[in-house]
Amino acid sequence: AQKVTQAQTEISVVEKEDVTLDCVYETRDTTYYLFWYKQPPSGELVFLIRRNSFDEQNEISGRYSWNFQKSTSSFNFTITASQVVDSAVYFCALIGRTDKLIFGTGTRLQVFP
Amino acid sequence: DAGITQSPRHKVTETGTPVTLRCHQTENHRYMYWYRQDPGHGLRLIHYSYGVKDTDKGEVSDGYSVSRSKTEDFLLTLESATSSQTSVYFCAIGTGYGYTFGSGTRLTVV
Repeated sequence: AQKVTQAQTEISVVEKEDVTLDCVYETRDTTYYLFWYKQPPSGELVFLIRRNSFDEQNEISGRYSWNFQKSTSSFNFTITASQVVDSAVYFCALIGRTDKLIFGTGTRLQVFP
Repeated sequence: DAGITQSPRHKVTETGTPVTLRCHQTENHRYMYWYRQDPGHGLRLIHYSYGVKDTDKGEVSDGYSVSRSKTEDFLLTLESATSSQTSVYFCAIGTGYGYTFGSGTRLTVV
């Protein structure tokens, strides 16, 4: 069975603080894909990143960075120097051989000015 | 020029009535998905389709049926709506290379 766990239900930070959102996954598949999506207050789901199971290189995109570690089955997301516009719900998701895209329960990030 | 659209965007219905939500895509994707989003549960998969007339259940399929008679349309039907089906419903298309989501349908069952 596949599972995605986002243990942090809600995180509050003050602007300019760094924040890390945790994602732990379970799968028996050797080939799988991991995703992060952002859901701002407007409600749409915005794609942030995709990572396949064979690429453990960390990625940085502006203030966003992702740490993929197969050894701990984790795909964590860090926002550096957070801004109020980063306030949203963030979802981690996984798909393997079953073709079912499975989501974690999400982490609500609130960034206060 | 959204490649995926959901209709209606909002709907209020009475308990016991049938409801059909529509997902339409213009991307010719083979895979289409229906999710519901509820506080504390994230997005949970209801049903998905891997081709015309090919569908399978997700983790919360009870009370829902789907149909896909052509590539571009994936319909989700609540045969007899219940208050527990009040939720926001999202449709998605894609593969492991990426997924695109519709804007969502907010369904309220009273």
